[in-house]
Amino acid sequence: AQRVTQPEKLLSVFKGAPVELKCNYSYSGSPELFWYVQYSRQRLQLLLRHISRESIKGFTADLNKGETSFHLKKPFAQEEDSAMYYCALSKGNTPLVFGKGTRLSVIA
Amino acid sequence: DAGITQSPRYKITETGRQVTLMCHQTWSHSYMFWYRQDLGHGLRLIYYSAAADITDKGEVPDGYVVSRSKTENFPLTLESATRSQTSVYFCASRAGPIGDTGELFFGEGSRLTVL
Repeated sequence: AQRVTQPEKLLSVFKGAPVELKCNYSYSGSPELFWYVQYSRQRLQLLLRHISRESIKGFTADLNKGETSFHLKKPFAQEEDSAMYYCALSKGNTPLVFGKGTRLSVIA
Repeated sequence: DAGITQSPRYKITETGRQVTLMCHQTWSHSYMFWYRQDLGHGLRLIYYSAAADITDKGEVPDGYVVSRSKTENFPLTLESATRSQTSVYFCASRAGPIGDTGELFFGEGSRLTVL
């Protein structure tokens, strides 16, 4: 079964500090992996997906198949990065399976 | 307006009452989904639909009923609401298979409180 683990419920960092939101998955195959973000009073929205290998709002995520991880990173946190972050996994037409989420709080 | 909309945005009901949450999308997306969001559980899939008249159970379907008579609508019904169904419900849609069109588009959410 597909499973996504986000070990941190809450992550607090100071503005300008590096950020790493952890995501581990279990899936016997090559999954599609995503990060979704929910800012306060806004809809859940796609932040990035591993197949596009793009950097959005300074965030990047590298798929490490050996460690089955897809950690989200940003070198310098900004206050506007404070939000709820969800890692998600899918394969083919199967629905996305989400992790439990990590709330990132950036302290000024 | 184009997009995906949910109604009502807020609902308070009593145990045992029937409640229907509406979801409407204007993109003609094939896939539609209902998730519930709870502290400590994240987002869990309730039901999804690959097309009109095709629905499938997700992780937590008990106590819920869905239908999809039209591509653009995907209502979620709680036939007899229970306190454990107090949650924020999100509807989402997707054009097709994962890949270039794999992005899920979410509604604003419906906050349901069952007293």
